[in-house]
Amino acid sequence: DAGVIQSPRHEVTEMGQEVTLRCKPISGHDYLFWYRQTMMRGLELLIYFNNNVPIDDSGMPEDRFSAKMPNASFSTLKIQPSEPRDSAVYFCASSPRTGRADEQYFGPGTRLTVT
Amino acid sequence: GDSVTQMEGPVTLSEEAFLTINCTYTATGYPSLFWYVQYPGEGLQLLLKATKADDKGSNKGFEATYRKETTSFHLEKGSVQVSDSAVYFCALRNYGGSQGNLIFGKGTKLSVKP
Repeated sequence: DAGVIQSPRHEVTEMGQEVTLRCKPISGHDYLFWYRQTMMRGLELLIYFNNNVPIDDSGMPEDRFSAKMPNASFSTLKIQPSEPRDSAVYFCASSPRTGRADEQYFGPGTRLTVT
Repeated sequence: GDSVTQMEGPVTLSEEAFLTINCTYTATGYPSLFWYVQYPGEGLQLLLKATKADDKGSNKGFEATYRKETTSFHLEKGSVQVSDSAVYFCALRNYGGSQGNLIFGKGTKLSVKP
């Protein structure tokens, strides 16, 4: 299995630019999660989808952030306009279910630096 | 709301030392508990889990026991190796009204010296 695939692995952009992060979940997984990791705030859940439908976006920091899942094999997280405080590692994870014993499978992350 | 508290790191040990990373939780209902590990430059991966009180999760020499009376899920290993150097995250999933999200602690960085 290829696992969860994220691209790009590293992104450096200037403040004000649009940034798009991409994720391909594991085939057959119904749930997709976007997380942000920083030293100050740790690992934060931004949004998650079930069967391509957003279920909980309460973790999305503000309107500059948006996420879509147009089909079962692809999701994007967009930041427009980007700001230096958005610098972080962004993880995508997928899961077949959210039962008591079900784990989430994480991608390798995208390290975003906004200058 | 539900939360997870881990001991602050970093933790530095010599090879073959005994490891304990403390984790306590606050949750309504009966959550499942997990330990995830993140090696440098990689995403998180599941290390072990326990779904009910008194369950013991184990993997790769690591163990953790779900203690409902103390709301704890401490991670232990009897003899650490250099290859265990990583960041360890305690997490819970609750079923008392939430939709099954994972809630993570802030992580504890472990460095093992030869």
